[in-house]
Amino acid sequence: LAKTTQPISMDSYEGQEVNITCSHNNIATNDYITWYQQFPSQGPRFIIQGYKTKVTNEVASLFIPADRKSSTLSLPRVSLSDTAVYYCLVGLRMDSSYKLIFGSGTRLLVRP
Amino acid sequence: DTGVSQDPRHKITKRGQNVTFRCDPISEHNRLYWYRQTLGQGPEFLTYFQNEAQLEKSRLLSDRFSAERPKGSFSTLEIQRTEQGDSAMYLCASARVGELFFGEGSRLTVL
Repeated sequence: LAKTTQPISMDSYEGQEVNITCSHNNIATNDYITWYQQFPSQGPRFIIQGYKTKVTNEVASLFIPADRKSSTLSLPRVSLSDTAVYYCLVGLRMDSSYKLIFGSGTRLLVRP
Repeated sequence: DTGVSQDPRHKITKRGQNVTFRCDPISEHNRLYWYRQTLGQGPEFLTYFQNEAQLEKSRLLSDRFSAERPKGSFSTLEIQRTEQGDSAMYLCASARVGELFFGEGSRLTVL
């Protein structure tokens, strides 16, 4: 499974757009990129998944360049409640039977 | 609330004691995972079930750890002869197709 590298922490202010970039240089052809969010004392929660180009849902966008060696999670207009740890994972699509490997994640702090 | 429930939420035990955690997944989910998470780290994979079959186990799951999922419904994770290094949050997740739904975890403190 491809290893991911992401910033340890990021700071932002309410209302700003936050972009968290993840590097995955040895991503395989059939690997997908998935992001999870985790609040203290809770389990991780799925945010978004993509394979290439751009994916958007009601909470975030995921940008994946053509070489797929990195990806960027974009959170529009963050609020205080977006303060959490964000994990980038690379692996087979979620509807296959495989284990998710979590790194240490990015701690996002949103300030008023 | 994701629909995955774990019990107990908190457990304090003395070193050497046995502990058991229970996970009740979302009813139609056939896949069930156990993870362990220590402070400041991401969750570490422990084991995975598809229905009642345990298909994969991490090397982290020493002989003192055992997991079961009888009848493919709820699952239990037992830790025998607990050690202080076992102190962590134990997370259960379930899925049918697609994303994993995590419970809120069972926090273990070994004194």
